[in-house]
Amino acid sequence: QKEVEQNSGPLSVPEGAIASLNCTYSDRGSQSFFWYRQYSGKSPELIMFIYSNGDKEDGRFTAQLNKASQYVSLLIRDSQPSDSATYLCAVNMGAGGTSYGKLTFGQGTILTVHP
Amino acid sequence: KAGVTQTPRYLIKTRGQQVTLSCSPISGHRSVSWYQQTPGQGLQFLFEYFSETQRNKGNFPGRFSGRQFSNSRSEMNVSTLELGDSALYLCASSLTSGGAMTDTQYFGPGTRLTVL
Repeated sequence: QKEVEQNSGPLSVPEGAIASLNCTYSDRGSQSFFWYRQYSGKSPELIMFIYSNGDKEDGRFTAQLNKASQYVSLLIRDSQPSDSATYLCAVNMGAGGTSYGKLTFGQGTILTVHP
Repeated sequence: KAGVTQTPRYLIKTRGQQVTLSCSPISGHRSVSWYQQTPGQGLQFLFEYFSETQRNKGNFPGRFSGRQFSNSRSEMNVSTLELGDSALYLCASSLTSGGAMTDTQYFGPGTRLTVL
């Protein structure tokens, strides 16, 4: 089992629709969860972080965390063609020294928003 | 506030050579993490530095090393390059890395290394 798994893609949605991206993680003690967006040929760009169970909203983006189910998701409302990118789920796992500065990434989900 | 900067942006080397990559974190950030990104393996953690000390290390051979200076700038070195070292090398900075809310990492543009 991979430490961080994302729903297989690619995911294609029409403009204006809701895109749903999912991620599960293996370490129940994980504390910090991040979503990054990466355009082709570019570096990852932070979209959101979430630490507590529940929902966190920022503009068109909503992150959802369920620690009991070891599940984190990202919803993108009113999807735009400019949202087309690879979305990376990242988790800071472990505790103490093993967690310092280390994010464990999923393999990414490619999202295409078509007009 | 300026973002994370990395130099050089592109490098072409041959097998057996060594390479040094540089990373300047966001002003005030004291933690620098390095990652390797390849199409097959995705993003993999190399190591993390904080206050000039390596505090965490990923599962990479000893050919990969790094250091951090007193101004928080960091370098990573790869010796005896192999074809498989061709990748995008990314550094990311954060305020600290203690697992609190200050551990949010911001990435630089990366250095694209090609080994021939």
